[in-house]
Amino acid sequence: DIVMTQSPDSLAVSLGERATINCKSSQSVLYSSNNKNYLAWYQQKPGQPPKLLIYWASTRESGVPDRFSGSGSGTDFTLTISSLQAEDVAVYYCQQYYSTPSFGPGTKVDIK
Amino acid sequence: QVQLVESGGGVVQPGRSLRLSCAASGFTFSSYGMHWVRQAPGKGLEWVAVISYDGSNKYYADSVKGRFTISRDNSKNTLYLQMNSLRAEDTAVYYCAKDKAPGELGFAFDIWGQGTMVTVSS
Repeated sequence: DIVMTQSPDSLAVSLGERATINCKSSQSVLYSSNNKNYLAWYQQKPGQPPKLLIYWASTRESGVPDRFSGSGSGTDFTLTISSLQAEDVAVYYCQQYYSTPSFGPGTKVDIK
Repeated sequence: QVQLVESGGGVVQPGRSLRLSCAASGFTFSSYGMHWVRQAPGKGLEWVAVISYDGSNKYYADSVKGRFTISRDNSKNTLYLQMNSLRAEDTAVYYCAKDKAPGELGFAFDIWGQGTMVTVSS
């Protein structure tokens, strides 16, 4: 099974500043036959289900603001919020779907 | 609009059974793989099970293998999770979620239900 880790556990960022979340998989999630990374990012606000933000490691889901971006390949990935807004306060999870899916432990983002 | 609505949660004693349902609407249910994901109170997300679009392939997390069964009825646009031999550690909100693309498995989850709470307690 692929184990996902995230860092940091939590972070506080000033409004308008950049937030960066890291995700690491225990083995590569890059599928060589199509050169795609089977990695997604989700946002979850209190009392709500998760919302898909990014898939294939860097493709933004329709309707997601362009301040959210994903990068990385193989085993190391990053979610960046370029200019934090108040509505971005949430827990963010990475997920691999290369094999039976698994999620990272989550990173809580707050306003400083 | 595309929607998933879970039902069937509740309070159940350890060792008993419960069946969850997830009613789908707004998309061609029979074309998509479907998942169950759970979240214990105050904890992170745990993937539970997946079923392929036609029901021919099913996979489970080790924590539920042999106790839970995922199934679907494409004529009723409904996904199920039969949960047997329930334990206290199965207490969680259970979400159903849809694969983003049709066909074989291996996609992110683009639509989630609101979840149904299962509490296992004597």
